[in-house]
Amino acid sequence: AQSVTQPDIHITVSEGASLELRCNYSYGATPYLFWYVQSPGQGLQLLLKYFSGDTLVQGIKGFEAEFKRSQSSFNLRKPSVHWSDAAEYFCAVPSGSQGNLIFGKGTKLSVKP
Amino acid sequence: DGGITQSPKYLFRKEGQNVTLSCEQNLNHDAMYWYRQDPGQGLRLIYYSQIVNDFQKGDIAEGYSVSREKKESFPLTVTSAQKNPTAFYLCATGQGLQETQYFGPGTRLLVL
Repeated sequence: AQSVTQPDIHITVSEGASLELRCNYSYGATPYLFWYVQSPGQGLQLLLKYFSGDTLVQGIKGFEAEFKRSQSSFNLRKPSVHWSDAAEYFCAVPSGSQGNLIFGKGTKLSVKP
Repeated sequence: DGGITQSPKYLFRKEGQNVTLSCEQNLNHDAMYWYRQDPGQGLRLIYYSQIVNDFQKGDIAEGYSVSREKKESFPLTVTSAQKNPTAFYLCATGQGLQETQYFGPGTRLLVL
């Protein structure tokens, strides 16, 4: 069965520092992969998605993610974090037959001034 | 203005009461989904609908019911059988299997 693991529950970084959020997946075939961001009390916003092709995917707000099949990973990165990036981040894969997404439990990002 | 609307933003339920959460979309998407979010749990699928007049149970459907009479609307009823309804409820839409999903702003349900 498909699954997603986000090993880090909470990460704190200083403003201006680089960021990497980890995501590992279990999927039977070449997966579609998604990263979403959620501000407190809000819905989820799509940051980026990987369907096929180039393994380095660019998204909104300066984020990027790299698909590594050998490591079953799809880590999210940003070179320089801004205070407004403080939020919760979710990695997701499609379930397959139901059409819904299977989400990791999320990583909460805090940004120190 | 295209998008997904959910109402109300906050909803209070009394013991033994059924309450209905609204989800409306004008994105012309065929598929609609209801997720429940609890702190530290990620999102879990309650119900989904791939087409009008058809819907399927998700992973945690007990105590919930839905209808899909119009393409634009997918209301969720939290029944009195749902003993722990306090959560954040998110509606999403999509174009089909493995496609991007788009989320509404959510409804927070609290129990009085």
